[in-house]
Amino acid sequence: DTGVSQDPRHKITKRGQNVTFRCDPISEHNRLYWYRQTLGQGPEFLTYFQNEAQLEKSRLLSDRFSAERPKGSFSTLEIQRTEQGDSAMYLCASQRRDSPYEQYFGPGTRLTVT
Amino acid sequence: AQKITQTQPGMFVQEKEAVTLDCTYDTSDQSYGLFWYKQPSSGEMIFLIYQGSYDEQNATEGRYSLNFQKARKSANLVISASQLGDSAMYFCAMKGSARQLTFGSGTQLTVLP
Repeated sequence: DTGVSQDPRHKITKRGQNVTFRCDPISEHNRLYWYRQTLGQGPEFLTYFQNEAQLEKSRLLSDRFSAERPKGSFSTLEIQRTEQGDSAMYLCASQRRDSPYEQYFGPGTRLTVT
Repeated sequence: AQKITQTQPGMFVQEKEAVTLDCTYDTSDQSYGLFWYKQPSSGEMIFLIYQGSYDEQNATEGRYSLNFQKARKSANLVISASQLGDSAMYFCAMKGSARQLTFGSGTQLTVLP
């Protein structure tokens, strides 16, 4: 069990650029979540996958955001035309289907938009 | 809708003392779970403890215990025998009928030597 990994750990980009983050969940975890955490706040839910199906999206996920999990394993989160307000920590979590509750979080990707 | 309230932005505790971090919640779900996570400065969210709404006994995990008072809608975290490594941000969270977690705003705990 190597834990949830995320890449990159830090990303600095200029406003208007596109960025893509990757999350590798714990193997055999079929549920995958993306959260966003701004400074001084708790994480906020963005979207959720069960296997390759994206089952739920938050209102926070504007049309500039897109997430995929093409083969039910790793997931990517893309932000197009980044804005300064997108600066945040993006956290990924995974969960076993038969686990009633526990989500395991990755170390996060810290995005800074200048 | 679900809501978690953590009213203590920051807390200080002396090493080896016990500390209680407050959490109140609001939900219309009958079945739900309450969680505490620790977030060190490195950023990773570390799961600490879970309490189900129908669990009759308070959850305990090592030095962590959850003081669950259903009628008051509170789920306070008690850390016994604090250690310097306990200094971190602590988040209370819940999950009801929705699959995702709803988090509070957190409490920054500082353990003093």
